[in-house]
Amino acid sequence: AQSVSQHNHHVILSEAASLELGCNYSYGGTVNLFWYVQYPGQHLQLLLKYFSGDPLVKGIKGFEAGFIKSKFSFNLRKPSVQWSDTAEYFCAVNAALGFQKLVFGTGTRLLVSP
Amino acid sequence: KAGVTQTPRYLIKTRGQQVTLSCSPISGHRSVSWYQQTPGQGLQFLFEYFSETQRNKGNFPGRFSGRQFSNSRSEMNVSTLELGDSALYLCASSLASASSMNTEAFFGQGTRLTVV
Repeated sequence: AQSVSQHNHHVILSEAASLELGCNYSYGGTVNLFWYVQYPGQHLQLLLKYFSGDPLVKGIKGFEAGFIKSKFSFNLRKPSVQWSDTAEYFCAVNAALGFQKLVFGTGTRLLVSP
Repeated sequence: KAGVTQTPRYLIKTRGQQVTLSCSPISGHRSVSWYQQTPGQGLQFLFEYFSETQRNKGNFPGRFSGRQFSNSRSEMNVSTLELGDSALYLCASSLASASSMNTEAFFGQGTRLTVV
C-alpha cells in the first residue's frame, strides 16, 4: 500500500528564514505528487504539483519542490517565509492510473513569527 | 468558476443516528472523492466516484457509503454514528479519468460533523 511520510510535524520559523519540508513516499509505480496547504479556517489549496518532466516544480506564493525519484522524495522549499505562510502543509501522492485517490502525509504545522 | 460546494458546513448528531453529506463538484468534473480528516488519523481516503460508479474505496467500515448522481453531485452517508466519526469530511473533485491521468483535486470547505 502507498504511504507518505512527512518528517516534521511542527516547524517554527522567523520571517525571512528559509523553509524546507521533507516528504517521502512509498510506491513503486508512476505517481503524481502534490503539496497542499490549509490556512487556518480555510479549505485545502493546491500549492504545487508534479506529474512528469522537470523535477523542480514551482508553485504559488514562491514555493517550489524538488522530486528525487531515486529517493522517493518530494521536498517543499521556500527561500524566505512570511507570516502569512503560517498554515498546515500536506504532501500527497496519487498513483497515475486515471483515478483520484490521494494518500496524504500527516501534515506539518508551520508557524512563522513576525 | 464556482468551486466545490459542500453542505451543510456543520452538523451535530447523536450516536446511533445517520447522516448524509452533500457535495457539488466543479462544473465539468466527473470524479468526486471523499476524505475524512481527524487530528489523530489525518486525511484518509473514503471513496471515489466517477460517472455514478464507485471506482475506489478506502479502509472504512460499511457504515460509510456514498453515491453519485448523473449530474456528478455526490452524497456520502454514515449510518449508526459513533463518537469516533466526529471529523471534518472533505469532498474533492477532479477531471481524473482513464484518458486524463494527470489531474489535481480541488477541495471543498468540508462538513464538520460532531457526534455526541
